[in-house]
Amino acid sequence: DIQMTQSPSSLSASVGDRVTITCRASQGIKNDLGWYQQKPGKAPKRLIYSASSLQNEVPSRFSGSGSGTEFTLTISSLQPEDFATYYCLQHNSVPPTFGQGTKVEVK
Amino acid sequence: QEQLVQSGAEVKKPGASVKVSCKTSGYIFSDYYMLWARQAPGQGLEWMGRINPKNGDTNYAQKFQGRVTMTRDTSISTVYLEMRSLRSDDTAMYYCARAGPIAAAIIWGYYFDFWGQGTLVIVSS
Repeated sequence: DIQMTQSPSSLSASVGDRVTITCRASQGIKNDLGWYQQKPGKAPKRLIYSASSLQNEVPSRFSGSGSGTEFTLTISSLQPEDFATYYCLQHNSVPPTFGQGTKVEVK
Repeated sequence: QEQLVQSGAEVKKPGASVKVSCKTSGYIFSDYYMLWARQAPGQGLEWMGRINPKNGDTNYAQKFQGRVTMTRDTSISTVYLEMRSLRSDDTAMYYCARAGPIAAAIIWGYYFDFWGQGTLVIVSS
């Protein structure tokens, strides 16, 4: 199975901050990576597919980059509604696997 | 509007079985794979398996082989997850999710596009 390692596991930030989350794959996955946002008690919500393509309904302050084994999710200016946990998902090979999550908390 | 609506919370005793439903709407049911995942309290996300709603073909994560069955009812555009021999560590939120189109490249068959609201299953004596 491909292991997905996210870092950091948590971070504290303020509204307006630039936030970057990294996801590393244990082997190359091309750009078959998605990012999701999950708020407490809610289902995950899609943000980015194919490593860098923004889903239609997602604000442009979110962006993704990377290919192969290293990927990043960036929030350019953190908003109050962005405090949540973020997960990466590789769907290049079976089984699809998620990172362990990054919790973005209020500083 | 594309939507996935799951059945309500369940409380089961160890050794029992549970069946969770996921009703789809707003798109052609047989055109997209459906996935199931779970999330134990305070933990991350774990893929459980996939079903092809067109022909009923399934594949399951090795961890759940023999204990999980995924089925579908095309007449009501609904997929089901049944889990047997429940243990306390099966206590989790169970999610269905729509994947990519069946006609698309293989990699999209395991992409979690959008999700149901989740069904909490509690296993406790």
